[in-house]
Formats: sequence, structure tokens, C-alpha cells
Amino acid sequence: EIVLTQSPGTLSLPPGERATLSCRASRNINSDYLAWYQQKAGQAPRLVIYATSSRAAGIPDRFSGSGSGTDFTLTISRLEPEDIAVYFCHLSGDSPPHTFGQGTNLEIK
Amino acid sequence: EVRLVESGGGLVQPGGSLRLSCAASGFTFEGYAMNWVRQVPGKGLEWVSGFAWVSGSLRTGYAGSLKGRFTISRDDATNSLYLQMTSLRIEDTALYFCVKDLSGKGLGPFNIWGQGAMVSVSS
Repeated sequence: EIVLTQSPGTLSLPPGERATLSCRASRNINSDYLAWYQQKAGQAPRLVIYATSSRAAGIPDRFSGSGSGTDFTLTISRLEPEDIAVYFCHLSGDSPPHTFGQGTNLEIK
Repeated sequence: EVRLVESGGGLVQPGGSLRLSCAASGFTFEGYAMNWVRQVPGKGLEWVSGFAWVSGSLRTGYAGSLKGRFTISRDDATNSLYLQMTSLRIEDTALYFCVKDLSGKGLGPFNIWGQGAMVSVSS
């Protein structure tokens, strides 16, 4: 079973800064099946990025995704206060189980 | 508007059973791949079970840790998804989300989430 490891555990940055969140897989994965979710306090997760770099409906273009092989990145180009959330990466595909990373807590200074 | 509304959560004793329901609306539910994902409050996400199209058939899958205690089912006539949970353990305490697959094939990701049903297992 593939394990997804996210880093850092917590990221604290001021508004306007660039945030870079990492998701590393324990072995090579198909980039078509790597997604990112945003979960704000008290809410259900929301799909942000799918297939490594495709933005989900309604997601601002300051969110972008990249990566291949074992290393994947979610970048928020200019942080806004509303971006405070926990971000999870997710590996899906045709072989269950689906796997989630443990999450990165994004704080705004 | 696509909506998923879970129900059936509650407090149950260890060893007990519970059935979660998810009412879906706003999309063609029949044959659509659906899943259950759970989350211990303040912790990470864990995929529980789901449907996926495999070789032309809609098949079910489960997290290995469940060891046959949970059963996913659906009623396409009423646009409903279910999760029957038996032999519940304290570690099954979590918020259970009904989630919709983006493409409907079961390959993920999950583009629509319900608000969740809380299951608490305690004596």
C-alpha cells in the first residue's frame, strides 16, 4: 500500500506570501490520480486540485498543482486570509484503497 | 445543485450496529460511483468503502482495516447510499462523509462531500 507523507505539518505565512505544500508518495504513482483538498474548520473537505494540476470548479487561479513520480506540490501564489485550512493530498485510481496524506495545517500570520 | 445529505449517525455501544444513509440529489445517481470517507474530529481522512466500475460491473471495495464489518449498498430507485456497520469498535468513532466521485467511474477524486454523520462508539 502506498503511503502519502505531507510536509510541513504546519505552515504559517503572512498574507500575500507564496505557500508551498508538499506531498510525497512512498513509490511512483500515476499523476492522473493525485488530488488536493482544502478543509476549513467545521466544514467538509473541498476539492481544490485533481490530476496533479487541474483546478476544480470555482477554485481561484492562485491555487496550482505540480509534480510527478513521488513528489507533488500544491502552491498558493498569494495567500489570503480565507485560505486558512488544512490541506490533504489524495491518491485515488483503480486499485483501492484510496489513500490520504495526513494533512498540512496552513495558518496566516 | 448537487447535494449529499447523511443521516443515521448516533451513539452506540461497542459491538453494536448502525446504518448510515446518504440521500443524493442534483445528478444522475443510478450507476454513479459513490464512497464513504471518515474522519476522527481533528484528525486525517480515511477512505472506508466505495463503488467503482471494474470490467463493466459496479463493484464494491473496502478499507482493509474493516475486515468485513462494514457493508456498502445503494438503492438507485431512491438515490440513496448506505453503510451498514456491525461489530462497532471505539476506534470507529468518527464523522462519516458520503462523497461523490468526480467522473462517476470510481477512480476519484471526490468532488462533492456531504456534511457528515457523526458516529460515536462508547460504553
